[in-house]
Order: sequence, then structure tokens, then C-alpha cells
Amino acid sequence: EPEVTQTPSHQVTQMGQEVILRCVPISNHLYFYWYRQILGQKVEFLVSFYNNEISEKSEIFDDQFSVERPDGSNFTLKIRSTKLEDSAMYFCASSETASGGRSDTQYFGPGTRLTVL
Amino acid sequence: LAKTTQPISMDSYEGQEVNITCSHNNIATNDYITWYQQFPSQGPRFIIQGYKTKVTNEVASLFIPADRKSSTLSLPRVSLSDTAVYYCLVGLYTGGGNKLTFGTGTQLKVEL
Repeated sequence: EPEVTQTPSHQVTQMGQEVILRCVPISNHLYFYWYRQILGQKVEFLVSFYNNEISEKSEIFDDQFSVERPDGSNFTLKIRSTKLEDSAMYFCASSETASGGRSDTQYFGPGTRLTVL
Repeated sequence: LAKTTQPISMDSYEGQEVNITCSHNNIATNDYITWYQQFPSQGPRFIIQGYKTKVTNEVASLFIPADRKSSTLSLPRVSLSDTAVYYCLVGLYTGGGNKLTFGTGTQLKVEL
């Protein structure tokens, strides 16, 4: 069964450093998403991406965040200058539909645990 | 304030039916309701999705009333391995448009 993969599984960084989290969505999927989950809290939507541009973003997704699909398979989340409060699990997801993404199932990756020291 | 709320926790025994409700007063007109299961240190895993009335698959049923302001996930006969956190995911109307919003999550604990 195809699955979403994410690397690394755990990233440790110093405050103020830039990090790039990588995701490989399911190959025939067209919508891509990033979510985060702070320890002990619920999953929070960050951003969705379709046709090489952001289609929706939350208030959390401010100027320190950016997303990119640098090639035909990878989808990345960059955090420019990490803060302590960016420590969380970051999940990538993808869905198949090209009709807006709302009615199609999102498949989640295993997550990257980001620790900012 | 647009919110998606669930009970914090539920306890059950093996073989019992469990119903978990999610309240989503400001659900967007065209958005579906999706339920996920999450084990510790793993990504959410799809359980079921619906738009209205009732949907059933091999693992669960989803009940959605006509006003779509809530939804109920029904797990027919739970086992120990169903111990997990369960989330609903909906699109909600907010001041800035429609936002994908996970529910607050329900920790289900199944015992023998």
C-alpha cells in the first residue's frame, strides 16, 4: 500500500537556526498538507498546497514558514528561524483529488519530531 | 469562535460499542467530515468520511444529522488495540474563510 514518508524522523536544532522538513507524498496525489502537533495537544493545520502554490494557510503559518515542491516527488516545509515554541511533531499529508481537496481522504506520514533547544 | 469539540476521554470494555461525538457548529457548507485514529508517536490514520446521513465501512459507522453541526463515530465492537486518540477533521467557517480544523481529540481506553 502506498504511503507518505517523512525525513528525518527526529530533528534537533538550536534556536534561530533554519530547518527543512521533507516529505514524499503518495505519487498520484495532487494536494499536499503540513500539520503540527505540540506534545499533548491536538493536531493543527498549517498549510495546504496545490498546483505549485499555497491554497490555504492558518494563522500559525507566518512569515517564518515556507513550503516548496522542489521536484516531482518531494514536498518541504522550511522554518527560517526556529523558536523554542516550534518544538512539535510535524506531519505531512497528501490527498488525491483535484477538485478542492475537501472531500478526499488525507493520508498522513509518520511525522518529524522537531526539538528546538 | 469557530471550534470543533470532543469529549476528552472515554473508557470502554472489549466487545462494547463506542460512540464518540464531535461538535462543529460552523462547518463549511461543502466540506466533508473525516475521522482519524492516532496512536502515540504516529500520524493520524483515516477511519471514515462522510457528508451527511450515515456512512458505514468495515471498521466504523459515521452518523451525521441533517444540520451537520455534529457527527458521531461509532466503533461497533472495540478491542484493546482500539485504544487510541480519535479526532474529527472538518472545514470551519472563520473570520478569514474556511479553515481545516481538527477536533480536540478523544482518548479512548479499552480494557478487558
